[in-house]
Amino acid sequence: GENVGLHLPTLSVQEGDNSIINCAYSNSASDYFIWYKQESGKGPQFIIDIRSNMDKRQGQRVTVLLNKTVKHLSLQIAATQPGDSAVYFCAERFKAAGNKLTFGGGTRVLVKP
Amino acid sequence: DTEVTQTPKHLVMGMTNKKSLKCEQHMGHRAMYWYKQKAKKPPELMFVYSYEKLSINESVPSRFSPECPNSSLLNLHLHALQPEDSALYLCASSHWGRTAGDTQYFGPGTRLTVL
Repeated sequence: GENVGLHLPTLSVQEGDNSIINCAYSNSASDYFIWYKQESGKGPQFIIDIRSNMDKRQGQRVTVLLNKTVKHLSLQIAATQPGDSAVYFCAERFKAAGNKLTFGGGTRVLVKP
Repeated sequence: DTEVTQTPKHLVMGMTNKKSLKCEQHMGHRAMYWYKQKAKKPPELMFVYSYEKLSINESVPSRFSPECPNSSLLNLHLHALQPEDSALYLCASSHWGRTAGDTQYFGPGTRLTVL
């Protein structure tokens, strides 16, 4: 099947700094993308999403950027806090295949005090 | 309210046991999903129900049997599992068929151990 890959398996960031998590996706026909945060022992938690007709979307302290030319997705976290320590997954959806999400491999973010 | 609940939280079973995992949502979603997640791996889709009908089965072995009694409930019946089936089983739900993205909301999961 198609995969969504991540460049960095672990990201260490100083508390207060900005974090950037990158994701490469493979299906140019994917129309919807989601970032999830998963803390230890918990299910994935929705952070932010973006449709393929957009290139940027902002939430509270988070921004998702979509570059369809190079099939690249990124999540920016501003002023990273200890509570941001978790594994982050990107996911893509190809609507013609149903609402099936394909997840990337995940990036662990460690926030240093 | 974006809550999906799952029971039990933990389950230990032998290879000859029969058990069931349960999932419930009250967000009016008409699609529900089962995922399997191994340690340090992303979730892998198992089944999708839309409007209480099975719409996707990702070639899952028959020892896993899903059931959707109504639009709010989703079960996963387990029988004759293998130790390699030990994993976190996640349930999710979403709207279905809208032109906008159909965001999937996940439950906390059931941690299954097969002895």
